[in-house]
Amino acid sequence: TQLLEQSPQFLSIQEGENLTVYCNSSSVFSSLQWYRQEPGEGPVLLVTVVTGGEVKKLKRLTFQFGDARKDSSLHITAAQPGDTGLYLCAGADSGAGSYQLTFGKGTKLSVIP
Amino acid sequence: DAMVIQNPRYQVTQFGKPVTLSCSQTLNHNVMYWYQQKSSQAPKLLFHYYDKDFNNEADTPDNFQSRRPNTSFCFLDIRSPGLGDAAMYLCATSTSPGLAAYEQYFGPGTRLTVT
Repeated sequence: TQLLEQSPQFLSIQEGENLTVYCNSSSVFSSLQWYRQEPGEGPVLLVTVVTGGEVKKLKRLTFQFGDARKDSSLHITAAQPGDTGLYLCAGADSGAGSYQLTFGKGTKLSVIP
Repeated sequence: DAMVIQNPRYQVTQFGKPVTLSCSQTLNHNVMYWYQQKSSQAPKLLFHYYDKDFNNEADTPDNFQSRRPNTSFCFLDIRSPGLGDAAMYLCATSTSPGLAAYEQYFGPGTRLTVT
């Protein structure tokens, strides 16, 4: 069974601060996705990382996939109230024929104006 | 816009009264998933279809059933809802693995309340 440990579980910061969310596993993933979910809505895909060491940027969000494809991080620069939400990382099983994602437990981010 | 649609967005049912949630997609994806999500927790996979092939998670209660009559539609049936089944139910889709790195696209969810 693959597990993804996501930290921190809760994060409350002031507008303008920077933050990093971590997603760690002892298992190798073929790809890893980050989602943001707002209250009462479904998760929205932010990014997919596939290659070990890959870095992707989405405006103020920077995503990194570990060299060994076992971990990932999400860094937000100058957080805005609109960044508030539940951030979920999800890893794709590298086993052939598997269509499932392993989800982390999520990081609930609150950005205070 | 291609998308995943869930109806209704909010559903209230009585304890023990069967309820059906629906999902439709215009993405033409092979795979459709149903997840249960409780407050501020990660989504929990209930089952998924690859085309018409049904795959049930080992810990999904028998109370939960699903139907996929065609590529576009998928239904979640809860035969006898209990208070513990109150949750957000999420439908998601993806293409065949290998084509898009397992990315899943979620609908907005149906919030189920059991009274």
